[in-house]
Amino acid sequence: DTEVTQTPKHLVMGMTNKKSLKCEQHMGHRAMYWYKQKAKKPPELMFVYSYEKLSINESVPSRFSPECPNSSLLNLHLHALQPEDSALYLCASSQVGEWYQPQHFGDGTRLSIL
Amino acid sequence: KQEVTQIPAALSVPEGENLVLNCSFTDSAIYNLQWFRQDPGKGLTSLLLIQSSQREQTSGRLNASLDKSSGRSTLYIAASQPGDSATYLCAVRRYGNNRLAFGKGNQVVVIP
Repeated sequence: DTEVTQTPKHLVMGMTNKKSLKCEQHMGHRAMYWYKQKAKKPPELMFVYSYEKLSINESVPSRFSPECPNSSLLNLHLHALQPEDSALYLCASSQVGEWYQPQHFGDGTRLSIL
Repeated sequence: KQEVTQIPAALSVPEGENLVLNCSFTDSAIYNLQWFRQDPGKGLTSLLLIQSSQREQTSGRLNASLDKSSGRSTLYIAASQPGDSATYLCAVRRYGNNRLAFGKGNQVVVIP
């Protein structure tokens, strides 16, 4: 069983909709990540939160809006997405500063934009 | 910039054969290297994590080696089974960096 839980598992939305992806972990990790993965490609980093503060934004379009309301929860708010945004969105967590520790990934949300 | 390469991109082996998957990286200034397994449409499952000071890690039928100076890691899977069919990704974590640099993966099919 994964220790990083993502909901929903699947999401289909129109280009004008607003939806949110949710990620939760209870391992006491203070770094949380969003990745985007297209088919047959490796994951691409989108955002990193460290101690609930945004520390890395990999020049992601503003139609993706991350939020970290507390140390266990990470959200990704979606608005006016494009068909090319259809992908698997992965959340991960790790310890901060303890670079020898692994990143733990969730099972992802499969997003389809109509 | 760290470049991570995995060869071969895809391979098929008969059940029972040993699997050898290769990962190379261009910058040896790394904290560690992590091997993941990914089933179609699923998330990443961490298999092994090798610290930069280590030479290898083992877990069951899996063994991963690391030669940091030459920028190489190898994942061995002994006596492969059809359930080992998946994509295997390696990722390196660079010094002072929260980012993982991923390879494109080895897509493995084990034929019964």
